[in-house]
Amino acid sequence: QSVLTQPPSASGTPGQRVTISCSGSSSNIGTNYIYWYQQVPGTAPKLLIYRDNQRPSGVPDRISGSKSGTSASLAISGLRSEDEADYYCAAWDDSLSGVVFGGGTKLTVL
Amino acid sequence: EVQLVESGGGLVDPGGSLTLSCAASGFSFTNAWMSWVRQAPGKGLEWVGRIKGKADGGTTDYAAPVKGRFTISKDDSKNTLHLQMNSLNIGDTAVYYCIRNRQYSSTWFDYWGQGTLVTVSS
Repeated sequence: QSVLTQPPSASGTPGQRVTISCSGSSSNIGTNYIYWYQQVPGTAPKLLIYRDNQRPSGVPDRISGSKSGTSASLAISGLRSEDEADYYCAAWDDSLSGVVFGGGTKLTVL
Repeated sequence: EVQLVESGGGLVDPGGSLTLSCAASGFSFTNAWMSWVRQAPGKGLEWVGRIKGKADGGTTDYAAPVKGRFTISKDDSKNTLHLQMNSLNIGDTAVYYCIRNRQYSSTWFDYWGQGTLVTVSS
């Protein structure tokens, strides 16, 4: 059972907007930055969002992150087939003195 | 160009030991913070541990399941990160990723290696 809680799956059709939630507590999301990683099956994860809502160069602006209290969300608009992947949230946990990940959300583009 | 290339994975008996290495290039390694994250077959990502750069004391932190069994070290003269794993059990079977941390953050993983598979089985 992961410290950060994500829905196991999400789906949408091309062009739609989908959101993936990540729920934590005051010791992780509530006081530290959230990060999002995308993993296409068979490949290494890739940084998608850093410091709650910042995009690295190369990540399109149709991908965005937000945070409120002890929860965070990743939004993907204009859904494309290439967005089909697993998505993970991560944060530092002050109580555990370590990095905690969400269990991952498998995004399917129908 | 940042490159991280892991090596050393393979099959090991329960209770055995294994050392993974990660050859780093394309950035200043000495003061870089580096991490290991693993992924069991068909499962999610799990943080293993992190080592700070020389300027920050080179201190380490580990996840509870590996603390006392795993050791992360850096050879700055060879730009190489190591993960020494002792008392391995079946639950340690996973792909292990070497990662560069950005901006002295334990959670900002900006470059990942391709991963190396460790299988613990008799």
